[in-house]
Amino acid sequence: DGGITQSPKYLFRKEGQNVTLSCEQNLNHDAMYWYRQDPGQGLRLIYYSQIVNDFQKGDIAEGYSVSREKKESFPLTVTSAQKNPTAFYLCASSNSATGVYEQYFGPGTRLTVT
Amino acid sequence: KNQVEQSPQSLIILEGKNCTLQCNYTVSPFSNLRWYKQDTGRGPVSLTIMTFSENTKSNGRYTATLDADTKQSSLHITASQLSDSASYICVVRTLYNQGGKLIFGQGTELSVKP
Repeated sequence: DGGITQSPKYLFRKEGQNVTLSCEQNLNHDAMYWYRQDPGQGLRLIYYSQIVNDFQKGDIAEGYSVSREKKESFPLTVTSAQKNPTAFYLCASSNSATGVYEQYFGPGTRLTVT
Repeated sequence: KNQVEQSPQSLIILEGKNCTLQCNYTVSPFSNLRWYKQDTGRGPVSLTIMTFSENTKSNGRYTATLDADTKQSSLHITASQLSDSASYICVVRTLYNQGGKLIFGQGTELSVKP
C-alpha cells in the first residue's frame, strides 16, 4: 500500500511545549514538503527538502524545524517559538521539485495548542 | 505579487446539477496550473495539471480549462454527486528557475445537496 502517512491525526499540546509531527512516504520520491492550512487561507509552505540531508525554508519557517536524515521521512517540529501553532499540517512529496511533477499529500495532522 | 484568487468562496448545488468554479491568477512566470479536491479533514488530491499550451483537460466528470492570456482557469463539474462535496483548490506554479513555488488559492467550498 503506497503513499504518504502522517501521524498522529489529532495532536493536543500545552503552550510552551515542542511537538514533532511525523511524515513518512514509500513512493521513492526525492522531494518532500510541509504546509500549514488555516481556515479561509491557501496552503502556506513551511519547509521543503529536495534531497536527503538538505532542506530549505519556505514562506513561514519561523518557529518550525525539520530534518531529512532518510529519504522516506521528513519530520516537522513545532517549537514553542511558533506564536500560533494551532492549524492543520499537511506533508507532501513529489518525484522532483522541478517540472510538472505532481505533489501527493498525506492525510494531515490537526494540531491544537492550548 | 503572485496571487491566486478563487470564486465563489462557497457554493451549494443540488445533486445532478452542473457547476463551474473560477480561478484567476497573477503568478508570473507561469509554469503550470493544478486543481485539487480536498475532502474535509483530509489531504488534497490532484484532479488535473495543465501547462501553458493546454486549454482543456478532463478527468471523468471534471473538466478544467486554462486561458493563459487572461490568466484564468475554470473547473467544471458535470452531473454532480454527493461525494463531490469538498473544497476545490486552484494552485499555480512558477518556473523552477524563478523558485518553482506553488501558489495556492484559498479554495471554493462546494456542497452538493440531495
